[in-house]
Amino acid sequence: DAGVIQSPRHEVTEMGQEVTLRCKPISGHNSLFWYRQTMMRGLELLIYFNNNVPIDDSGMPEDRFSAKMPNASFSTLKIQPSEPRDSAVYFCASSYEGFQSGANVLTFGAGSRLTVL
Amino acid sequence: AQSVTQLDSQVPVFEEAPVELRCNYSSSVSVYLFWYVQYPNQGLQLLLKYLSGSTLVKGINGFEAEFNKSQTSFHLRKPSVHISDTAEYFCAVSDQGGSEKLVFGKGTKLTVNP
Repeated sequence: DAGVIQSPRHEVTEMGQEVTLRCKPISGHNSLFWYRQTMMRGLELLIYFNNNVPIDDSGMPEDRFSAKMPNASFSTLKIQPSEPRDSAVYFCASSYEGFQSGANVLTFGAGSRLTVL
Repeated sequence: AQSVTQLDSQVPVFEEAPVELRCNYSSSVSVYLFWYVQYPNQGLQLLLKYLSGSTLVKGINGFEAEFNKSQTSFHLRKPSVHISDTAEYFCAVSDQGGSEKLVFGKGTKLTVNP
């Protein structure tokens, strides 16, 4: 298995531009997570999906952020318009949620490093 | 809601020395506990997890952790570290029988010096 695949690995953009980050989870996994990592805040959960349905988006900073999961093999995180404070590494992770909810191991992608100038 | 506190943001040690990375958690329900490791420019990967049973959990690369319910701690240890153990280590918690939401601590940067 190729693991969780994220693109792009690096993105540099100017303030006000739209940014779209992409994620392909591991085949067979039914939960998908978007995390943001910064020096100040550490790893923050932005949103997670189960069976393509958003379950908890309480970590999404504001309306400029949106996430979709149109099918089991693809998810996007969009920022529009982007701001310098959005600069961070964004991680996608997936897991298989079986009967033992909460016990499952997340597999992380390599991350997308976003710089907003 | 759960929370995780990693008491040390940076831990420098010499090669072959023992190391302990501290983690305390807070939750109103029973929890599952995890340690993940992040090497430079990579995503996180699982080191070990505590779900139930023996409170001493062994993981990959010679690491182990002990769950202490009374002290709400899950400290990570290794008796002898290598240069290759230099990385950032994250403690994480999730609710038993709750959602899949995993809450991470802020991480401890372990630097192993020759």
